[in-house]
Amino acid sequence: DAMVIQNPRYQVTQFGKPVTLSCSQTLNHNVMYWYQQKSSQAPKLLFHYYDKDFNNEADTPDNFQSRRPNTSFCFLDIRSPGLGDAAMYLCATSRTGGKSLHEQYFGPGTRLTVT
Amino acid sequence: QQQVKQSPQSLIVQKGGISIINCAYENTAFDYFPWYQQFPGKGPALLIAIRPDVSEKKEGRFTISFNKSAKQFSLHIMDSQPGDSATYFCAASIKNTGNQFYFGTGTSLTVIP
Repeated sequence: DAMVIQNPRYQVTQFGKPVTLSCSQTLNHNVMYWYQQKSSQAPKLLFHYYDKDFNNEADTPDNFQSRRPNTSFCFLDIRSPGLGDAAMYLCATSRTGGKSLHEQYFGPGTRLTVT
Repeated sequence: QQQVKQSPQSLIVQKGGISIINCAYENTAFDYFPWYQQFPGKGPALLIAIRPDVSEKKEGRFTISFNKSAKQFSLHIMDSQPGDSATYFCAASIKNTGNQFYFGTGTSLTVIP
């Protein structure tokens, strides 16, 4: 049973053409994250939503935006993709509060190609 | 600044051997240390995690050893199998800060038959 779902799994876009990646979760987690992962590198956090509160990493380019219309869905918008934005984009969720270890659950990722 | 340092970058182990991956951190506020396993083209999957109030946690063939005074933790994979060949990431986080994770740089493990 898929818990963190990302669509599409593969996305090809043209240089400068806006693109939106989507993430949905069935875990009812209150925190959602977007990471960028380039080949042979660790995931790099772009931003996260703590409930409705948006938290942007200081070095995340303005070209990257996010929306979270409800608990289950989160979107990553790349306004003008450049060749350097080609990467795997990972969505993750976690739950705060209680005695859990606050594990992050990752989706399968969307592989973005920029032509 | 790399908050979590991971070594080695790559590791080759014979089937049945022990794989050991090490991580070190500086921020003593970290209170959660997970290890993630990632296969090519897939998202990272939580493998095992530990809190700093214990020195070791074992789940099947996977063990985390934690040394709070040295600010180091390591993953041991016993009886390594070819199916364990993947990239492994350590991470650290602080519970009450939105669960921001700081990842190590990853270790590519190859287990040869």
